[in-house]
Amino acid sequence: AQSVSQHNHHVILSEAASLELGCNYSYGGTVNLFWYVQYPGQHLQLLLKYFSGDPLVKGIKGFEAEFIKSKFSFNLRKPSVQWSDTAEYFCAVSPPETGKLIFGQGTTLQVKP
Amino acid sequence: SQTIHQWPATLVQPVGSPLSLECTVEGTSNPNLYWYRQAAGRGLQLLFYSVGIGQISSEVPQNLSASRPQDRQFILSSKKLLLSDSGFYLCAWSNNSPLHFGNGTRLTVT
Repeated sequence: AQSVSQHNHHVILSEAASLELGCNYSYGGTVNLFWYVQYPGQHLQLLLKYFSGDPLVKGIKGFEAEFIKSKFSFNLRKPSVQWSDTAEYFCAVSPPETGKLIFGQGTTLQVKP
Repeated sequence: SQTIHQWPATLVQPVGSPLSLECTVEGTSNPNLYWYRQAAGRGLQLLFYSVGIGQISSEVPQNLSASRPQDRQFILSSKKLLLSDSGFYLCAWSNNSPLHFGNGTRLTVT
């Protein structure tokens, strides 16, 4: 069965530190990949997505993610985090032919001012 | 533009009572519809998804069921709630695109 694994459950960083959140998936075929973010008290929103093409994807608020097919990974990065990046981050995978979106268990990021 | 409505926003129900959560989508046709549950520390769990009227796929065996009586209506139900059904339930839609989520329903089973 398809699954998504986020290695870090809770990350604490100081402002200006660099961020990398790991995401690995298990699925043998073509997939669409997503990172969603949920800020405290708000709804889930799309951070960035990868369908095809350049494996380095840039999203909103300075986030980027790199799809490495050989490693089945789609790690999220940001060079310098801000206090306002405190949120829960979800990696998700969707095999295009199924219509399903499978989420990882989420990573809580806490940025200290 | 497309919108998704989910209600109620919060619900407190006793154990053994029935459940009905409703979700409707406007501004699109034949969307894929989803029910997710978000539990603390467990992320988003896909419960049901539907690619068309009357077509429901269940992802996890549980006390809940889903129905899609109309193209843009998706209902999450239970005949008898369990304590373990407490959680935050999210409806979502997509048309071969990223998901669009509803506001969610906070369900507390007491």
